[in-house]
Amino acid sequence: GAVVSQHPSWVICKSGTSVKIECRSLDFQATTMFWYRQFPKQSLMLMATSNEGSKATYEQGVEKDKFLINHASLTLSTLTVTSAHPEDSSFYICSASRAGVSYEQYFGPGTRLTVT
Amino acid sequence: GENVEQHPSTLSVQEGDSAVIKCTYSDSASNYFPWYKQELGKGPQLIIDIRSNVGEKKDQRIAVTLNKTAKHFSLHITETQPEDSAVYFCAGSQGNLIFGKGTKLSVKP
Repeated sequence: GAVVSQHPSWVICKSGTSVKIECRSLDFQATTMFWYRQFPKQSLMLMATSNEGSKATYEQGVEKDKFLINHASLTLSTLTVTSAHPEDSSFYICSASRAGVSYEQYFGPGTRLTVT
Repeated sequence: GENVEQHPSTLSVQEGDSAVIKCTYSDSASNYFPWYKQELGKGPQLIIDIRSNVGEKKDQRIAVTLNKTAKHFSLHITETQPEDSAVYFCAGSQGNLIFGKGTKLSVKP
């Protein structure tokens, strides 16, 4: 149990366009989902936390108008990178946790975004 | 806020040897300490975790120990195999996860 999927696994887009990444909990209801960003050979950096039906809480320094997060259901959260630029190229990873056990996070396989 | 330090950054061992990775944390309120294994190009995979009311937990070749007084916890892998080669991250939590910088483990056949 506790399987999280992401789609797409990789995406290449042109500078100025927007890209949407989906995160799904396949076998449990995820009341909280997290979005991380990871640069090569570095640790995971939390971007934002979202609770189902509520607005996401963004970490300091993360532009909420650039990284739009929607958590409309208990099994789906989306991250949209708007007006992408080459510096947005990174590995984006989501995680999900169950109700009452928010500290136990199960991670998706990640999405490699390359902006040309 | 919480700060998690992880050592070493790289670790190379011979197949069959043991590997130990250590982490320290700063916030005594942290009460959950997971360890993740991340293979190249993949998301982190939870391999073992420990709550603050437990001093040690073991799962086959993997064990984690926690010293609340000293605020440090360690991952122990025994009888290492080449497939154990990956980057390992520790984390501390009292809500959100705060990750260490990772340890690249290489197991040489």
